[in-house]
Amino acid sequence: QVQLQESGPGLVKPSETLSLTCAVSGYSISSGYYWGWIRQPPGKGLEWIGSIYHSGSTYYNPSLKSRVTISVDTSKNQFSLKLSSVTAADTAVYYCARLGVGATIDYWGQGTLVTVSS
Amino acid sequence: QSVLTQPPSVSAAPGQKVTISCSGSSSNIGNNYVSWYQQLPGTAPKLLIYENNKRPSGIPDRFSGSKSGTSATLGITGLQTGDEADYYCGTWDSSLSAGKVFGGGTKLTVL
Repeated sequence: QVQLQESGPGLVKPSETLSLTCAVSGYSISSGYYWGWIRQPPGKGLEWIGSIYHSGSTYYNPSLKSRVTISVDTSKNQFSLKLSSVTAADTAVYYCARLGVGATIDYWGQGTLVTVSS
Repeated sequence: QSVLTQPPSVSAAPGQKVTISCSGSSSNIGNNYVSWYQQLPGTAPKLLIYENNKRPSGIPDRFSGSKSGTSATLGITGLQTGDEADYYCGTWDSSLSAGKVFGGGTKLTVL
């Protein structure tokens, strides 16, 4: 059973960098699939942030691309998100996920709320 | 504003059938697989339908998906109170702004 677990600070100050890590169990990232991040502001819909392959190949949401970096550590079977210059608009529940054929998201983490506030 | 368009809300009585539409364009739904997700209150989304009309293991056949042209539809029959949730469609957009895109979500109320 594939499981994903997000971790990282729940509170980030404006203009700083949001950093989250997703630990994967039950499946080796090196075996394939894209791995990604999706966020959901309180009371709003889903927004794809970006995805990474085990080789390091990435796709980013064009609206966030200038501020986003996604990286992978196959030795630890985890991948990470960095979002720079955050504002209150970046307050959201952040989910990590596995993406299959057609970018279908077949496994989701439980999500972690990140609040941007001073 | 979402790339894919869904109705904000739908409602029906227990035991009835409901459909949720998802409208896009040739750069997304028209040329890529559609998936559907159910999000119960306070939980992470769950995959309901993938590759337009396939159900993952464990998803009852009360849930169905279809696609025609640049639109997709999720159908739910035999509605139960436990089906009350937000439903999202998603696909890949192959335009210059390529990426995973979602609909704005539809709130299903089982009256």
